[in-house]
Amino acid sequence: DSGVTQTPKHLITATGQRVTLRCSPRSGDLSVYWYQQSLDQGLQFLIQYYNGEERAKGNILERFSAQQFPDLHSELNLSSLELGDSALYFCASSARLTGNYGYTFGSGTRLTVV
Amino acid sequence: GQQVMQIPQYQHVQEGEDFTTYCNSSTTLSNIQWYKQRPGGHPVFLIQLVKSGEVKKQKRLTFQFGEAKKNSSLHITATQTTDVGTYFCAGPRTTDSWGKLQFGAGTQVVVTP
Repeated sequence: DSGVTQTPKHLITATGQRVTLRCSPRSGDLSVYWYQQSLDQGLQFLIQYYNGEERAKGNILERFSAQQFPDLHSELNLSSLELGDSALYFCASSARLTGNYGYTFGSGTRLTVV
Repeated sequence: GQQVMQIPQYQHVQEGEDFTTYCNSSTTLSNIQWYKQRPGGHPVFLIQLVKSGEVKKQKRLTFQFGEAKKNSSLHITATQTTDVGTYFCAGPRTTDSWGKLQFGAGTQVVVTP
């Protein structure tokens, strides 16, 4: 157990639907990062939150949104799902604002869009 | 934008052999980090290198950061079946105040007994 909890582990849904992925960071970590991993794209950075505020955005689609709550857990919302959104979605956390320290990854949510 | 390239993409190794995987960035990095992802697992932080020319060892793994802080290497000696997985390098851009990590595409290592 890495200390970063992601739920659900697996999700199967139909095109056009909306899903919410949840992440609880490691205790004491204020930064939360979301990454998408697909077979041909590697680990793609989506978005970063630090202590409740959005701090950086990557290649995140407009159909995707995220937030970090006062208790520091984060949710990634994916809407109008397409087949191409099928991927592993990882949440990672770190203690600091910058990327100068190792990330702790959760076990991921495998999303399958059918 | 910044790109982090890793070569090779795949590495087939006979158990007991050595191999090296390389990481190159188009921009200077404040640090380089290495992660290992076992099949079906999640990336796990291995190490961070900060100083130019830095070399660190973890048992059979040797990590090196280039003098210009734009490249890095991971050398594994006497490969074992437990070394199977994908090795990623990652680094934040020095100009990126928020420091989000840019990951390379990874080197997938397969070990033949």
